[in-house]
Amino acid sequence: AQSVTQLDSQVPVFEEAPVELRCNYSSSVSVYLFWYVQYPNQGLQLLLKYLSGSTLVKGINGFEAEFNKSQTSFHLRKPSVHISDTAEYFCAVTRAQAGTALIFGKGTTLSVSS
Amino acid sequence: DAGVTQSPTHLIKTRGQQVTLRCSPKSGHDTVSWYQQALGQGPQFIFQYYEEEERQRGNFPDRFSGHQFPNYSSELNVNALLLGDSALYLCASSLTQWRMNTEAFFGQGTRLTVV
Repeated sequence: AQSVTQLDSQVPVFEEAPVELRCNYSSSVSVYLFWYVQYPNQGLQLLLKYLSGSTLVKGINGFEAEFNKSQTSFHLRKPSVHISDTAEYFCAVTRAQAGTALIFGKGTTLSVSS
Repeated sequence: DAGVTQSPTHLIKTRGQQVTLRCSPKSGHDTVSWYQQALGQGPQFIFQYYEEEERQRGNFPDRFSGHQFPNYSSELNVNALLLGDSALYLCASSLTQWRMNTEAFFGQGTRLTVV
């Protein structure tokens, strides 16, 4: 079975500062990894995904993540955050085989202030 | 492309009642998954439908059931509602291609409140 641990429940940061949201996963088989963002009272929007290939993945809104197989991590980074990045961020894992569910972490609340 | 659409957006029900939530997948998608997101938590997988059959199920009681129609749309039914069923219910659609998972797109969710 797969599991996801988001290491920080809340991350406060000032506008234009860099940010890293940490995610570790556990799996005995090959997996796909995702980061989703959720704004208040909304559904989930995909930020980026790692399926295979380059371990550095670039996503929307200036976010990127690095897949580290040896450390089983998939940390999300942004070099300079904006107030509009304030939201809940979820790391998720799934097996490559069709029919398997997304397993989500508990989420990290990113709060950007001026 | 309308993306994944869910209805209704909000719903208030009384304990013991039954509820039906609906989902239309993104155009071209054939697989629908349902998730329950309690307040302050990550989404939890309920079940997935493909070719009108339940393909996988998470750790939810039989009070939770579903259906997928020939046009790939789906319904989630919850019987004998409990206060603990209050949550945001998310529908996600994807394409099953060569028996592999593809990216899941989520709807805006249905906020269910049980009183």
